[in-house]
Amino acid sequence: AQSVTQLGSHVSVSEGALVLLRCNYSSSVPPYLFWYVQYPNQGLQLLLKYTSAATLVKGINGFEAEFKKSETSFHLTKPSAHMSDAAEYFCAVSEEAAGNKLTFGGGTRVLVKP
Amino acid sequence: EAGVAQSPRYKIIEKRQSVAFWCNPISGHATLYWYQQILGQGPKLLIQFQNNGVVDDSQLPKDRFSAERLKGVDSTLKIQPAKLEDSAVYLCASSSPGGANVLTFGAGSRLTVL
Repeated sequence: AQSVTQLGSHVSVSEGALVLLRCNYSSSVPPYLFWYVQYPNQGLQLLLKYTSAATLVKGINGFEAEFKKSETSFHLTKPSAHMSDAAEYFCAVSEEAAGNKLTFGGGTRVLVKP
Repeated sequence: EAGVAQSPRYKIIEKRQSVAFWCNPISGHATLYWYQQILGQGPKLLIQFQNNGVVDDSQLPKDRFSAERLKGVDSTLKIQPAKLEDSAVYLCASSSPGGANVLTFGAGSRLTVL
């Protein structure tokens, strides 16, 4: 069974500082991994996805994530936070054998301080 | 391309009343999902359709929740009777089948049960 754990339900960063959001997954087969962002009163928007190609994945808005199989991790980073990055971020895993449905982590809310 | 459409965006009802949510997926997307997102949590899959057939409804509380996708396009999610714990955002998503398919989400329908 697939599952996702996001460490830290809230993260506070200063504008211009590094953003690091942690995600660990559990999957019985090589997974597909995703990061989604959710702004207030909106649906989820895809930031990036890992599909067994390059382990370092670049996404929109300057975000990137690195797949580390040995650590079963897929942490999300951005070198320099912007005020517009304030949102909730969800890590998710899917498996073809499970019908490609997404299983989400609990989410991490990012607050950006000026 | 048009996104995933959902309505209503907001609904407030008394407990034991009924409510229905509607979703129109992206044209050509065969797979449709309904997720429940309780405040402060990640989305949880309720039901997955492939065309008009159910792929996974293992997490759907079938004593009060029902969903249909009669012509393989639009879908309706119904709750009857509603309980206080059903207060949540109901997210509809759609995708094309196969591989690391990316889910595209609608803006969601926020339900408040009083």
